[in-house]
Amino acid sequence: DAMVIQNPRYQVTQFGKPVTLSCSQTLNHNVMYWYQQKSSQAPKLLFHYYDKDFNNEADTPDNFQSRRPNTSFCFLDIRSPGLGDAAMYLCATGRGFIYEQYFGPGTRLTVT
Amino acid sequence: QQQVKQSPQSLIVQKGGISIINCAYENTAFDYFPWYQQFPGKGPALLIAIRPDVSEKKEGRFTISFNKSAKQFSLHIMDSQPGDSATYFCAASSTNAGGTSYGKLTFGQGTILTVHP
Repeated sequence: DAMVIQNPRYQVTQFGKPVTLSCSQTLNHNVMYWYQQKSSQAPKLLFHYYDKDFNNEADTPDNFQSRRPNTSFCFLDIRSPGLGDAAMYLCATGRGFIYEQYFGPGTRLTVT
Repeated sequence: QQQVKQSPQSLIVQKGGISIINCAYENTAFDYFPWYQQFPGKGPALLIAIRPDVSEKKEGRFTISFNKSAKQFSLHIMDSQPGDSATYFCAASSTNAGGTSYGKLTFGQGTILTVHP
């Protein structure tokens, strides 16, 4: 089945220790999105790629970076995680202006 | 102007009842309105979506009603079941938001639905 896969599902990191979350897709979609979702809140878009064209949201902290080495994979790097970065990180894919976004299961990040 | 306001924040319904969640928007450029269903610990799943050229769309027990003049849309869940208990998010998107929008969604705040057996 075509899908969006996120690894790991649960990640524990220490305060200030860099962490990388990964996302892969078999849908062959042009666009890949990274969202941060905190408890009882809506997903908040961090950035997205259209093919290799990177688009950062204005309020995304510099601490968050992303890489997309090919169509299928996208990575979220948190350079120095703080306690406030503990959240669910969601990857989604889409076909750009076709609108529909398909979300992965998320990675729950805990910062100790 | 980019906000989507969703209500109620939480909703309790008896099994077999009708669940109604409402959303309102300001940006008249929005032209795509999806609803997402999210279970605890899972990613949101696209439930149903509507474009402003129709006033209603039905898929099974789920119906979106859209009122373009009032800039409001709502989700109706008929014959609500305990398995429908989840958080529901409305969202909106625009093709005219600029060259880098790429289907960017503006989400409502979410509604926690609980369906009692």
